[in-house]
Amino acid sequence: AQSVAQPEDQVNVAEGNPLTVKCTYSVSGNPYLFWYVQYPNRGLQFLLKYITGDNLVKGSYGFEAEFNKSQTSFHLKKPSALVSDSALYFCAVRDRSGNTPLVFGKGTRLSVIA
Amino acid sequence: NAGVTQTPKFQVLKTGQSMTLQCAQDMNHNSMYWYRQDPGMGLRLIYYSASEGTTDKGEVPNGYNVSRLNKREFSLRLESAAPSQTSVYFCASSEESGGYGYTFGSGTRLTVV
Repeated sequence: AQSVAQPEDQVNVAEGNPLTVKCTYSVSGNPYLFWYVQYPNRGLQFLLKYITGDNLVKGSYGFEAEFNKSQTSFHLKKPSALVSDSALYFCAVRDRSGNTPLVFGKGTRLSVIA
Repeated sequence: NAGVTQTPKFQVLKTGQSMTLQCAQDMNHNSMYWYRQDPGMGLRLIYYSASEGTTDKGEVPNGYNVSRLNKREFSLRLESAAPSQTSVYFCASSEESGGYGYTFGSGTRLTVV
């Protein structure tokens, strides 16, 4: 079975500081990994994904994530946080084998303080 | 604009009433999904349709039914609404499989009183 853990319900960071939102996963085989962002009263928007290749993936709005197979992690990072980054972030995983739906984590609320 | 369209955006039902949530996508995607979002629970899969003509249960299917009307449309029906079904419902679509992400609709906020 696939699962995703986002260990922090809330992350607070000062504007201009680096931010990290943590994600660990469990799949039986190799994963496809995704990050989505949700702004208030909106649907989820795609940020970035890891399919294969370079473990460091760059995505929208200056975000990046690092795939670490040994630690089964896919943490989301940004070098310098903006107030406008404040939102709810979801990590998601699917196994490469078969056509299984994405499994989402419970979400981490990021608050960037000016 | 291309994307996933959900209707209605808001709905209030009385316990026991029925309703259908509509979802349509214009990206020629094969797969479609219904999730519900509850505080502290993340997104939980209700039903999905991997391709036209097929539907499968997800994590929380009880109390719901779905219809994949054609390639574009995937509806979610609540036959007898319960307060526990108060939630925000999201429809999503994707290419059939592999490393393709989802495109989400803007959601339906449902309250059952």
